Amino acid sequence: QSALTQPASVSGSPGQSITISCTGTSNDVGGYNYVSWYQHHPGKAPKLMIYDVSNRPSGVSNRFSGSKSGNTASLTISGLQTEDEADYYCTSYTNDYYVFGTGTKVTVL
Amino acid sequence: QVQLQESGPGLVKPSGTLSLTCAVSGGSISSTNWWSWVRQPPGKGLEWIGEIFHRGSPNYNPSLKSRVTMSMDKSKNHFSLKVTSVTAADTAFYYCARAGGYYGSAFGYWGQGILVTVSS
Repeated sequence: QSALTQPASVSGSPGQSITISCTGTSNDVGGYNYVSWYQHHPGKAPKLMIYDVSNRPSGVSNRFSGSKSGNTASLTISGLQTEDEADYYCTSYTNDYYVFGTGTKVTVL
Repeated sequence: QVQLQESGPGLVKPSGTLSLTCAVSGGSISSTNWWSWVRQPPGKGLEWIGEIFHRGSPNYNPSLKSRVTMSMDKSKNHFSLKVTSVTAADTAFYYCARAGGYYGSAFGYWGQGILVTVSS
């Protein structure tokens, strides 16, 4: 199983919207609605931001939203804030196996 | 509130065995949840190592399967990870995490992580 493909970096100014893509195959992202997204500051515990493609845990800002089309899932952050600067990872669960994305560093300009 | 806490040696010699434990509080390890280990080598991305349920066999990442063993101790409410024949490539932050419950297959709860360095 290969890692899901994410852009290495995405940046935006405060207040803007950005979208992070997560591309897999029909065997993972495209075949199941088990895509989740995590915000991670290295050395700290990752935080669940989106589960099952588009569901947001309680306590997560509604500025974060998820979607999927074919073999590509996406995380959109609207109204970008300085606190959103972090690494973001997608993951897909399939056939008793998890595969993570390559990770995207979000920079707030 | 479920809490997870990793513990174990921070330094392991090459060719040795890495052994970590994840203590679970605020919930039973025998509940209908899956318990995983995830690691992040310095400067690299997250990698899933494996998961264990209180019934049945663990599931492992195929790339690590030959060197990884996961187990659980229900009396102590913790689960463990062993990685044999370690090399410098196994140097990483190791996290334990819980999937299941309201968040389905997603990891809704994580430990703070523990840095394990493989070096002589």
